[in-house]
Amino acid sequence: GQSLEQPSEVTAVEGAIVQINCTYQTSGFYGLSWYQQHDGGAPTFLSYNALDGLEETGRFSSFLSRSDSYGYLLLQELQMKDSASYFCAIDTGRRALTFGSGTRLQVQP
Amino acid sequence: DTGVSQNPRHKITKRGQNVTFRCDPISEHNRLYWYRQTLGQGPEFLTYFQNEAQLEKSRLLSDRFSAERPKGSFSTLEIQRTEQGDSAMYLCASSFSSGQETQYFGPGTRLLVL
Repeated sequence: GQSLEQPSEVTAVEGAIVQINCTYQTSGFYGLSWYQQHDGGAPTFLSYNALDGLEETGRFSSFLSRSDSYGYLLLQELQMKDSASYFCAIDTGRRALTFGSGTRLQVQP
Repeated sequence: DTGVSQNPRHKITKRGQNVTFRCDPISEHNRLYWYRQTLGQGPEFLTYFQNEAQLEKSRLLSDRFSAERPKGSFSTLEIQRTEQGDSAMYLCASSFSSGQETQYFGPGTRLLVL
């Protein structure tokens, strides 16, 4: 089976940088995705890492180390609208994504 | 809007009743997924279609659950003899066959079983 671990809550202030870590265990691995979900909303795709290294998309960056079974999502210049839950999810090649339990990010003024 | 749509958005039913949800994926997407999400948890995979073929079902999908995608476009998820434990958000997602598995989610159907 697969399992993912990520912190349950993170708090940061507006304008700061925050890193949300994700470690995983899986027998098959194609890539690591990150999704954002606001309360009552749908999960929204943020990024996908298949290879080691850093992928940057605007204020958000995502990192993957396949050898360490570890990734993180980096959010820079935090804004109040970034308050949401963030999920890492692994693609094992079976098409279904396996999601972590999510990290609730609270951005404070 | 060309995103994934789901209907109804909310459903309240009594235990023992049957319910059916509909998902309309992004039009050019050939893959469609159903997930279930409970409060404080990430989405859990239920089942997956490629075109009209149901290729995978989770062990979470008991025999009271059935899903169809008759013409490879929209899909329905039916729950028979609902139980209180079925109360959850039911999410539909779609994707297009490619090397990267990027799934786009609909707004979900929130089910409450009384």
